Amino acid sequence: GAGVSQSPSNKVTEKGKDVELRCDPISGHTALYWYRQSLGQGLEFLIYFQGNSAPDKSGLPSDRFSAERTGGSVSTLTIQRTQQEDSAVYLCASSLVTLGNSPLHFGNGTRLTVT
Amino acid sequence: QKEVEQNSGPLSVPEGAIASLNCTYSDRVSQSFFWYRQYSGKSPELIMSIYSNGDKEDGRFTAQLNKASQYVSLLIRDSQPSDSATYLCAVKDFGNEKLTFGTGTRLTIIP
Repeated sequence: GAGVSQSPSNKVTEKGKDVELRCDPISGHTALYWYRQSLGQGLEFLIYFQGNSAPDKSGLPSDRFSAERTGGSVSTLTIQRTQQEDSAVYLCASSLVTLGNSPLHFGNGTRLTVT
Repeated sequence: QKEVEQNSGPLSVPEGAIASLNCTYSDRVSQSFFWYRQYSGKSPELIMSIYSNGDKEDGRFTAQLNKASQYVSLLIRDSQPSDSATYLCAVKDFGNEKLTFGTGTRLTIIP
């Protein structure tokens, strides 16, 4: 595809339910990133993948959050037992190589609302 | 813990003037620096990257990097109303693939 694709674009869920967010990176991009942006705030790093491996999971807020990537392509971010503070826009980004100077290309995000 | 600091603004600049956006970072080993623009309700988009000390120009945009002072800035010449957005500074270290973002500066160009 032409860009990073995320689904769903919007998700409303009840507190305590599990949600799964999907990201399709740009074809050929080896690095994939998940960020979270709360209303009026900056981007909070969650996790990044190099291929199917996640060398840095330091940003995951709690053990309710997990992510995986398969086939060096699609990634899913799963939030278990959602809480209201999980409400945010979840942004996925990909980059071609990870040599320190490759820009990130962002998807349009998934807006998650936990009621 | 790496920190990237930006003045949150809002920064108001008259149309046609120069907008100056500033960013400081705490980690001396930082190698790559990026400026992203984010319109309200949209995702960030890359507008400039800079890796070496000095200035880098691209159209109306100039990025300036001073590693000794741990300072990176973005100048927008001949500001247009369409430049009104939040500008995010981002920093990446060599060998550490995490891109750390500042909280952004909200810029408003006044017609």
